[in-house]
Amino acid sequence: GENVEQHPSTLSVQEGDSAVIKCTYSDSASNYFPWYKQELGKRPQLIIDIRSNVGEKKDQRIAVTLNKTAKHFSLHITETQPEDSAVYFCAASGDNYGQNFVFGPGTRLSVLP
Amino acid sequence: ETGVTQTPRHLVMGMTNKKSLKCEQHLGHNAMYWYKQSAKKPLELMFVYNFKEQTENNSVPSRFSPECPNSSHLFLHLHTLQPEDSALYLCASSQGGLAEQYFGPGTRLTVT
Repeated sequence: GENVEQHPSTLSVQEGDSAVIKCTYSDSASNYFPWYKQELGKRPQLIIDIRSNVGEKKDQRIAVTLNKTAKHFSLHITETQPEDSAVYFCAASGDNYGQNFVFGPGTRLSVLP
Repeated sequence: ETGVTQTPRHLVMGMTNKKSLKCEQHLGHNAMYWYKQSAKKPLELMFVYNFKEQTENNSVPSRFSPECPNSSHLFLHLHTLQPEDSALYLCASSQGGLAEQYFGPGTRLTVT
């Protein structure tokens, strides 16, 4: 089955700096890679996703890159703000998994003012 | 609000109790999910229902029993739980596979 690893587990950056979180997956058949943000005491919410037919996707300060050959994908947050502080989860899924998302263990991002 | 509600929000139960968690989605989605979120583990998928049919059971112990009477409601029946079952139980829904999953606020379960 699919296995998703995520690094780092914790990340602290100064406000205004960039943050990068990396995930690797094991199943080359996976073709959908969402990223979820979970603020303290709140539910996970999708912030961006990418499918295997593209290598990069951007939405304002957030971007995701995908390297299918190496089986890794990354979340990039630029010009970080205190409200970006949260736990970020990557996930992988594919047609062969139906609705079965395999989540990474999460990265706790702290943006220091 | 995301359109996915869960009740109760907090639940404390003894190991011999029977209780149920309820999830309701108002988004017209056709798939619903139960996840377990523990302090030191990633989100663990427990069950998937697609058009009311269970399509996934990730080796979950039989003390957890799901029920999906229609595409808008999902239940998780609990009986003879163990202290290690204490966690946040999240419900989610989506429109088909490989699509955004909308999560409910979760039920914080404590087993004493």
